[in-house]
Amino acid sequence: EAQVTQNPRYLITVTGKKLTVTCSQNMNHEYMSWYRQDPGLGLRQIYYSMNVEVTDKGDVPEGYKVSRKEKRNFPLILESPSPNQTSLYFCASSPGPTNTGELFFGEGSRLTVL
Amino acid sequence: AQSVTQLDSQVPVFEEAPVELRCNYSSSVSVYLFWYVQYPNQGLQLLLKYLSGSTLVKGINGFEAEFNKSQTSFHLRKPSVHISDTAEYFCAVSDRRVTGGGNKLTFGTGTQLKVEL
Repeated sequence: EAQVTQNPRYLITVTGKKLTVTCSQNMNHEYMSWYRQDPGLGLRQIYYSMNVEVTDKGDVPEGYKVSRKEKRNFPLILESPSPNQTSLYFCASSPGPTNTGELFFGEGSRLTVL
Repeated sequence: AQSVTQLDSQVPVFEEAPVELRCNYSSSVSVYLFWYVQYPNQGLQLLLKYLSGSTLVKGINGFEAEFNKSQTSFHLRKPSVHISDTAEYFCAVSDRRVTGGGNKLTFGTGTQLKVEL
């Protein structure tokens, strides 16, 4: 089954404790991205990757890091989480440059930073 | 830069009634337009998209949307809703000029559709 898998789905952590949210897709997609969803703000892009070893900032990259060492994986790293990073996070993928806008989303990771 | 405005944060409607969810966009360039749906505790999935051609676009689950260039709108409609349509709906745009631009979506703030018996 074609899917985007995120882990963990739910996480409660404390300020300053480094964490990683993993994302893996099995569709051989070139493009992957991370969004955060906050009430009243919709989805905002954090980082994206056009291919292996190619990453770039989205609209709200502060406080986050990413890496793309393999095509299928695109982890989101919070080096020193803060309460304002409490949010619902989505990983998405799509085939590549010719894509006209269909993104395939994971089920989301709800993060709470105390 | 593009922006998307969804005028209604919540829309309650009775089952079998028609519904319209409004979306307006602002862009200095030509865009692709999308509606995504998010069911409870799930990720987003594509409902329909407008790329070119006919301004009336049909999607899954009986939804349709009409692109109106002069009013910069892309409203979503369904003639008769079901309980199972209860979800959050997001309008989105992307820049059609840029190679790979289809991958970079700007989303609206979402409209929660609540279908009641």
